[in-house]
Formats: sequence, C-alpha cells, structure tokens
Amino acid sequence: DTEVTQTPKHLVMGMTNKKSLKCEQHMGHRAMYWYKQKAKKPPELMFVYSYEKLSINESVPSRFSPECPNSSLLNLHLHALQPEDSALYLCASSVTLSITMNTEAFFGQGTRLTVV
Amino acid sequence: AQSVAQPEDQVNVAEGNPLTVKCTYSVSGNPYLFWYVQYPNRGLQFLLKYITGDNLVKGSYGFEAEFNKSQTSFHLKKPSALVSDSALYFCAVRGGYSSASKIIFGSGTRLSIRP
Repeated sequence: DTEVTQTPKHLVMGMTNKKSLKCEQHMGHRAMYWYKQKAKKPPELMFVYSYEKLSINESVPSRFSPECPNSSLLNLHLHALQPEDSALYLCASSVTLSITMNTEAFFGQGTRLTVV
Repeated sequence: AQSVAQPEDQVNVAEGNPLTVKCTYSVSGNPYLFWYVQYPNRGLQFLLKYITGDNLVKGSYGFEAEFNKSQTSFHLKKPSALVSDSALYFCAVRGGYSSASKIIFGSGTRLSIRP
C-alpha cells in the first residue's frame, strides 16, 4: 500500500463552522505533512509532524489546528476560517524527516476546501 | 536558505518531440532534488529524485533528469512527449543544514503537448 488517503475530497463550510480534514497512510512513515495549495501555485508547507510530535509550524494562523493521534493518522481541524482560506489542502508522508534518509514525500489527492 | 526556480511558466511541445522542463536550485550543503507531476484537481505524484551518484536520473513514465552541479540545475527531460504528459510539473529541493526537514517547491511549469 503506497497510498496517502485524504477525506473528504471536497468540503464547503461557512465561516462559523468547525470541520476536520483527515489523512491516513499505512506505509509505516513517521513524518507527515500538511500543505496548502492555491490555484496555479506551488504547495506551501503548513505543518510537519515527526513521530507524532509537531516539528514545524510555518506560522500558520490558529484557526488551523493540526493533530496526529497516531503514526498513521493526521488531522487538520478548521474553525472560523476566512474565504481566502479556500484552497486545495494536501497531506503527505515520508519515511522520516532525517536528511540522511533522502526520502521523497508521497502525497494524497487533496481536499478541495471552499469557505463561504 | 534553500530555494528552487522554474523559469518557464509554460512549455509547449508537439507530440513525439523531446521535452525539457527547466529547474535551478540554491541550497547550502548537498542538494536533494525531486520532480513531481500534478494533474488537474489531484495531488502530486513523485516522478524521480537525485540524491547522489549518477548525474542522469531515470524516473517514472519515461522521464529523466540531469543534475548539473556547476550550473545548479536539475532539468526534467523526456525523449518523446505524449499528449498524456500534459500536466503541471514541480521541481522541489530538500537540503541545507537547518532546514533539512522541509521540501520546498518551485513555482511550477505547465507542460502542454499538442497532438
């Protein structure tokens, strides 16, 4: 199994809603990532987890709250989002964060989020 | 700080012709370089990577890339383009000493293959 699975594929939410994005991988990877991608732009790193601990937060607003309940799952909790937060949210995983492992990241298909 | 540049927003090639998508990088320490492809409304698919060793790296779907240290480039190539190769291509770099865990993407190049 070399897949990263993201649910839901599409999400429309109001600015007062609370929702969560889910990501799952069963490759035994210990590093997991959230990226945000606007149309025709490259993915921008948001968060990195290593061994279920938050390793990097790229100064993301607190209305985005990541959670890694176990080594296979990564969630992104959303609350009080703004219309400009509408984007494709990509989850990825890699074997490890270690530079010596030289590993590529495997990406999920993404969740297309629209904030209305 | 590490960075990667893709100087062309779009590349147009006729089917059957060779294609090149350009990428240059800047990183302290040894660079780890990647190419990804993205089809509309989809995630990124890994194509190939350069870590060390041979400068010519072969990847998925007949793509290859040439690492050139003196020119700090990692151009993506394919000898004969297919219409199905039309997609958005991202070069990415991971390296340096303090940012080892980050994969940084270039701005992307849209490849269009005409029949």
